[in-house]
Amino acid sequence: GAVVSQHPSWVICKSGTSVKIECRSLDFQATTMFWYRQFPKQSLMLMATSNEGSKATYEQGVEKDKFLINHASLTLSTLTVTSAHPEDSSFYICSASPSGSHQETQYFGPGTRLLVL
Amino acid sequence: SQQGEEDPQALSIQEGENATMNCSYKTSINNLQWYRQNSGRGLVHLILIRSNEREKHSGRLRVTLDTSKKSSSLLITASRAADTASYFCATAPGGGNKLTFGTGTQLKVEL
Repeated sequence: GAVVSQHPSWVICKSGTSVKIECRSLDFQATTMFWYRQFPKQSLMLMATSNEGSKATYEQGVEKDKFLINHASLTLSTLTVTSAHPEDSSFYICSASPSGSHQETQYFGPGTRLLVL
Repeated sequence: SQQGEEDPQALSIQEGENATMNCSYKTSINNLQWYRQNSGRGLVHLILIRSNEREKHSGRLRVTLDTSKKSSSLLITASRAADTASYFCATAPGGGNKLTFGTGTQLKVEL
């Protein structure tokens, strides 16, 4: 089956630093990847749609300068949380849809837990 | 507001019993999907039901869809302790590829 990995799986950082999270599709190419955040015991909220070779599309209320997304290849998208603050602490999950598919089903990474001190 | 609302929010049952979760949505859809999330992990796709389907089975899972009521249900039969997880419905409003998730049901299956 389609596998999506994320790295790191968890990260602790100091307030004011930047953190980069990688999302990779291991056995398929993904023109489109998605980034979500999830607070404890809550649902997933879509942050942005990452498109290979073009700018990401951000959901309303998500600061594009705060959450930088780069989708440089068909198998890798990165999310950089810039100048992280404690309120950015969350569980970040990416997903990917295989290129050429109807993109109905998304394959999710295992998530990255971010704790900002 | 949430595209998908699920109930119950939490469900605790004994192993061997059936578990039923419901999801309601607001806009028109092409399909509705159910995902499972184990604590602190990513999501696993369970099943997709299209708008022209009323019922679909996959192993111990049975999903129904009522587009007139904009609702869906997920039934897990003969539950096992390993079924303990959160279950989310998801739709792509307007037929796009951006998923909107429901609020989720936390299922606990006790031995």
